Amino acid sequence: NAGVTQTPKFQVLKTGQSMTLQCAQDMNHEYMSWYRQDPGMGLRLIHYSVGAGITDQGEVPNGYNVSRSTTEDFPLRLLSAAPSQTSVYFCASRKPGQGNTIYFGEGSWLTVV
Amino acid sequence: QQQVKQSPQSLIVQKGGISIINCAYENTAFDYFPWYQQFPGKGPALLIAIRPDVSEKKEGRFTISFNKSAKQFSLHIMDSQPGDSATYFCAASKNSNYQLIWGAGTKLIIKP
Repeated sequence: NAGVTQTPKFQVLKTGQSMTLQCAQDMNHEYMSWYRQDPGMGLRLIHYSVGAGITDQGEVPNGYNVSRSTTEDFPLRLLSAAPSQTSVYFCASRKPGQGNTIYFGEGSWLTVV
Repeated sequence: QQQVKQSPQSLIVQKGGISIINCAYENTAFDYFPWYQQFPGKGPALLIAIRPDVSEKKEGRFTISFNKSAKQFSLHIMDSQPGDSATYFCAASKNSNYQLIWGAGTKLIIKP
């Protein structure tokens, strides 16, 4: 049972570098999303997708890009990393419909120096 | 009006005691209220959820109490155990809206 798989688990970037956080799910969930988690601020939605080819912005989208070419994959791109993007990133997926369980990956710890 | 306010930010409880975490919301259109549990180094996972047509839902040692008129809901952990030490998030959503609105989280420590 793979569920939601995120890579890499840990990454250190220099300011200005770009990188992609990978996310894949094997549950055939239409809905996928990316969150960042910072101390005292809970989970903040970055971008989400309700299906292949459809993406939308969440609460804190600036500095991030996403694409959804397949149902399974939802990569998050940091365009030009900044120290403010140091955080733990979680990918999540769920079936459509209100009240369905959100399944989270195990997180990607990103440090920007 | 979209916020969910969670308290306390951190909580220390003795083993065997009752842990209580509270959340308050303003948007009366919210009609789904889940709690997620997150262990260190892991992603959050659904613990228990409630809809506003009931005032209480119990699953094992975990109970959600819901007060619609006060726009508050709380998580009670009975006979708290060291294995319950985790961060707990409350959340809320509207029927027609994909997004959950999350509380800021409560770090719970159960002392042996």
